[in-house]
This record gives sequence, C-alpha cells and structure tokens, in this order.
Amino acid sequence: QVHLVQSGAEVKRPGSAVRVSCKASGRTFNRYIFSWVRRAPGQDFEWLGRFIPVFGASDFPQSFQDRVTLSADEYTSTAYMELTGLTSEDTATYYCTTEDNSSGFSHIDYWGQGTLVTVSS
Amino acid sequence: QSVLTQPPSASGTPGQSVTISCSGSSSNIGVNYVYWYQQLSGAAPKLLVYRNKERPSGVPDRFSASKSGTSASLAISGLRSEDEGDYYCAAWEDSLTGWVFGGGTKVTVL
Repeated sequence: QVHLVQSGAEVKRPGSAVRVSCKASGRTFNRYIFSWVRRAPGQDFEWLGRFIPVFGASDFPQSFQDRVTLSADEYTSTAYMELTGLTSEDTATYYCTTEDNSSGFSHIDYWGQGTLVTVSS
Repeated sequence: QSVLTQPPSASGTPGQSVTISCSGSSSNIGVNYVYWYQQLSGAAPKLLVYRNKERPSGVPDRFSASKSGTSASLAISGLRSEDEGDYYCAAWEDSLTGWVFGGGTKVTVL
C-alpha cells in the first residue's frame, strides 16, 4: 500500500512558478514511477508527465514539455513537480500519483490527496 | 471534448445494477488496456480495475469491467450507498504519448 502526501494549497501570480511536493511511503524507492495529473475546474484529468527515479528520466506530453520539471529525492522519498509560466488556465488541483509497471504494463495505481493551485493577479 | 467519452451520470436504487460506458478510439482503448478509478466525495481517486478487467485486492467482486474494440464498460452490481461517487476510465494514448481520461460518470444511489 503506497501512501502519498502532497504539499498544501498555493496561490500564485501569473507568470510565476509553482512547486508541489509529494512524500511517498510504502514502496522501495527504486520501484517508484511518479506521474503527475491535474484537473482544472470543469475539465478532464490531464496528464503532465512522469519521472522515473531509478533512471533519472522524465516523460512529458508535448503540451507540457517546456514548462514542467519533475524530480525526486531518494533520501526523503519525495517527488517534486514544478510548473513555470503560470496563467489562469493553470488553476487546478494537481495530483501526484504512482505507476506500477511490475507486470510490464504500467498503470497509475495510487493518488495523493491533491494540491489546489490558484493563479490569480 | 473528452478523449474518452463517458455518460455524465448514472443512477440506481440499492441492490440494482448500473453500467458505465467509456468510448475511445483506435489509438487508446483500441490498442491499450483500460483502467477504472473511483473517487468518493472529494477523496483521492482509487484504482478500481486494471488491465481491462482485473480488480486490485480489496475491491469487491460487485465491480466488474470489460473491453471490446474501442469501448469499455464498468458494471456495479448490488448497488450500495457507499458506491455513490465519480467513476473515471483511463487509457494510454499512443498518438499523444500519455495518459488520457474520461470526463467521469457520477453514480447516484437513489
């Protein structure tokens, strides 16, 4: 059983950046794949990308490639998502999730509680 | 417009069955596994079904799922009040190279 605890709500100005943290427990660190998903009001869940700590590698959809940085710290078992160039359209609840690829087919298995990011001037 | 299409709502009385559909395309559901998540009143989403029809341990067998072609469905039998919440389908999208989700179906137990 994986447990993900995210940092608290943020209010940011347009043009600034936000960093959300996600403390993970319940799985050997090298087995983690951290995937980030957001949901804006009235919109579908949207995948922002994933970070694979054992390879130090990230995967992003083209729409977020230039604005998202993902990382993780093995010593604190914490994953991070930084989103730059914020606009009002980035107002959303951001979720940290883990992926399980033990079967060879990866899927999102656990979700954090979500972090509300509000972008407003 | 959602990449995966779900009906916005479904309802039933306790004990009844409810089925939720999820329609995709040849670049997502048509070639990849479907996953279902349950989100109960503001809690974090929880994995309900993986690889089209498999249930994680702890998920009751009242929940069953299937896939055919570019569509999938989730059935809840013996509906209970605690099943009330939002249900989402998801699949890997080959053309976008990323996860895509349905818009969600709100299940109401009357």
